Amino acid sequence: EDKVVQSPLSLVVHEGDTVTLNCSYEVTNFRSLLWYKQEKKAPTFLFMLTSSGIEKKSGRLSSILDKKELFSILNITATQTGDSAVYLCAVGSNTGKLIFGQGTTLQVKP
Amino acid sequence: ETGVTQSPTHLIKTRGQQVTLRCSSQSGHNTVSWYQQALGQGPQFIFQYYREEENGRGNFPPRFSGLQFPNYSSELNVNALELDDSALYLCASSRVAEDTQYFGPGTRLTVL
Repeated sequence: EDKVVQSPLSLVVHEGDTVTLNCSYEVTNFRSLLWYKQEKKAPTFLFMLTSSGIEKKSGRLSSILDKKELFSILNITATQTGDSAVYLCAVGSNTGKLIFGQGTTLQVKP
Repeated sequence: ETGVTQSPTHLIKTRGQQVTLRCSSQSGHNTVSWYQQALGQGPQFIFQYYREEENGRGNFPPRFSGLQFPNYSSELNVNALELDDSALYLCASSRVAEDTQYFGPGTRLTVL
């Protein structure tokens, strides 16, 4: 059975800290790994990764994929209160669906 | 560029009733997927529509059904509602064969 597991499930940090969120997967016919940020309702797209070892960056956020060890990490540096959200990891396969992990809830305190 | 929209925002129903949720896809997108997100969980895939036909289905019973229209908008219908159907229902659109899906704000369904 396909599965995506995220850790930790929740995290509390202070502004300025750096955080690392983890995502491991076992998915048949893996095609891509995606990260989303969910603040209220709509998950908003952050990154899509398809190749191992190539870091993707957007401002203070970065992510990398390891297809041999079947995991990805999402790093957030110099965290701000606006980074508080649920971060979702999802895997795309050739079935067209996204298989999501349970999410990591990040709380950034002032 | 218009994003994904969903209606209604909130809905309260009682057990046994039927509900229809609606979704308009982002402009330029021809594929719509529906997900159910229970509180504290990640979204679970219900089904996907492309060219007005179901193009993949998750582990949901037949009382969950859908439609896609020529303008790529979509409906999710749920019959014989159960208490466990209470969740956030998310619609996502994409271009065919592309993995990046863009989500709407969701419909919060409460079944009493």
